[in-house]
This record gives sequence, C-alpha cells and structure tokens, in this order.
Amino acid sequence: GENVEQHPSTLSVQEGDSAVIKCTYSDSASNYFPWYKQELGKRPQLIIDIRSNVGEKKDQRIAVTLNKTAKHFSLHITETQPEDSAVYFCAASINDMRFGAGTRLTVKP
Amino acid sequence: GAVVSQHPSWVICKSGTSVKIECRSLDFQATTMFWYRQFPKQSLMLMATSNEGSKATYEQGVEKDKFLINHASLTLSTLTVTSAHPEDSSFYICSARVSETSTDTQYFGPGTRLTVL
Repeated sequence: GENVEQHPSTLSVQEGDSAVIKCTYSDSASNYFPWYKQELGKRPQLIIDIRSNVGEKKDQRIAVTLNKTAKHFSLHITETQPEDSAVYFCAASINDMRFGAGTRLTVKP
Repeated sequence: GAVVSQHPSWVICKSGTSVKIECRSLDFQATTMFWYRQFPKQSLMLMATSNEGSKATYEQGVEKDKFLINHASLTLSTLTVTSAHPEDSSFYICSARVSETSTDTQYFGPGTRLTVL
C-alpha cells in the first residue's frame, strides 16, 4: 500500500520567515495530494491540495509543488504568522488517503 | 458547504461496554466515508472505508468484529466500538467524500474523543 513520509517532524521559524515541509510517497498511482492543518483537539482543515496533472499551486501565502518523477511534494508557507502554528499533515490518495506523520510548526513572534 | 458532523464529541465509558459514534454529511451526499483513529501526538491512521449500501473495507490490523461500521445512507455512517478496552481510548475522526473518485476532496468531521476507563 501507499506509504507517505514527512519531514521535518518539528519546525520552528521566526515570524515573517518561510517554512517548508516535504513529503515523499511510494505509490506512483497516487493522484491527489492534500495538505491539512490541525490544531490541538480539532479536525484537520484542508489548506491546499494538488492533483497529479499539476506541478505547482499557490493560494496567497501557501504554495504546494509536486514532482511526480521523484514522488515528492512540498508545502511552502511564506511570511509566516503566529497563527500558522499548528500540526501540518500531508497526504497521498489513490482510492483512500494515507497521511504523513505530521510536522509541528511553531512560529515565534 | 461541505460540512461533516460527528456525535458525540466526547464519550467516557466503562471497559467492556460498546460505544456508537455517528458521522453525518450535513449538506451533501457522501458516497464514501472514512474512519480514522488518532492517538496523541500521532498521525491519522485509516481504519476503514465504507461505501453506502456495501460492507466496509477494513485496513490490515483493524478488527472488523470489534469496530462495526454501518453506512446505511448517503449522509450517515456509524462506528461502533464493541467491548471497549482502555487501549481503544483515542480520537476517532470520520471524513466524507462526494464520490468514489480519489481526487475528490475529503471533508473531516470534528472528531470524537473516546476514553475507556
């Protein structure tokens, strides 16, 4: 089955800096790659997603890139703010979704 | 749009009892629903996938006789934890997808925190 690896497990940045989280997946048939933000005790919230026919997608301060050949995709957050602090999960989907282990992002004011 | 609710939001039960968790899609019809379990500071682990009107597909290592899933309608799926034990204490989250198409967005419920004493 699909295996998703995510790095780093923790990331601390200064407010205003950029944050990058990277994921790799194992099954080349995966065709949907969402990113979720989860605050403590809350549901995962979709922040951005990309499908396998697209290499890059941007939504304001958030961007995702996908390299199908290398089977990896990344989340980029620019101009980070303290409210960006949360756990971020990547996922890869064929028929069902498999999640990475998560990255705890801390943005220091 | 695309709201998914879960009930209850939290439950405390005694060891050996059964607990039922409901997952509802409020403003759309969900062909496929998923059940996840999340232990503290860990990722979401898929337990099972259910399609309306058919039997759920369980992930390896998930006991189907212990975690009963019923997807009786396009807006409701239930997860029953039977004979619960303390090790079943976890955060259970459902998600719903409009179609069986893998590239459709999944919408998550708010989760149910189960504590088994």
